[in-house]
Amino acid sequence: GAVVSQHPSWVICKSGTSVKIECRSLDFQATTMFWYRQFPKQSLMLMATSNEGSKATYEQGVEKDKFLINHASLTLSTLTVTSAHPEDSSFYICSAPAAGGGNEQFFGPGTRLTVL
Amino acid sequence: DQQVKQNSPSLSVQEGRISILNCDYTNSMFDYFLWYKKYPAEGPTFLISISSIKDKNEDGRFTVFLNKSAKHLSLHIVPSQPGDSAVYFCAARPEGNQFYFGTGTSLTVIP
Repeated sequence: GAVVSQHPSWVICKSGTSVKIECRSLDFQATTMFWYRQFPKQSLMLMATSNEGSKATYEQGVEKDKFLINHASLTLSTLTVTSAHPEDSSFYICSAPAAGGGNEQFFGPGTRLTVL
Repeated sequence: DQQVKQNSPSLSVQEGRISILNCDYTNSMFDYFLWYKKYPAEGPTFLISISSIKDKNEDGRFTVFLNKSAKHLSLHIVPSQPGDSAVYFCAARPEGNQFYFGTGTSLTVIP
């Protein structure tokens, strides 16, 4: 099946710094990618929809100025957590829908962010 | 507001027996449902899906049942194997590509 990669897999940063997370579709093109956040023992919460060539669509309650999303190409979307704080510590996962408009989504392995 | 709920956070089953994972939803507009399997520190992987026009879909040891009137779906794994031990998420969507996920059920299959 299709592969989605994320980099880095784990990042630890100091409070106040910015962290960039990359999401790549390795063998297919994705005009749309999704960014999710998962807190411990909680469900995956959709944060935003990343659209190639246009602005991302953010879910209600997600600060777009804090979570900057850039869909630079058909295979790359980046999420930048700006001025990170300890409460931003979480597991961030991206996904891309199957090519051709299928119902399946392919998920990246996730990035664990720890803000000290 | 949690539109997709998995009320059992964990489940333990003996190897060879049936595992039944349950999921309830509130939005009657959901038309497509999926189950994902997730290992620690990994992204979810697709397991099986079902459209709202069906009430059952089977793929090998995995069967998903959908009861639209009750807004309930379940995943049956039979026979359960130790390698099935993981967290299982159900997900649902109204239309388009946005999915809503349940909180997950951690399945442990005891050898």
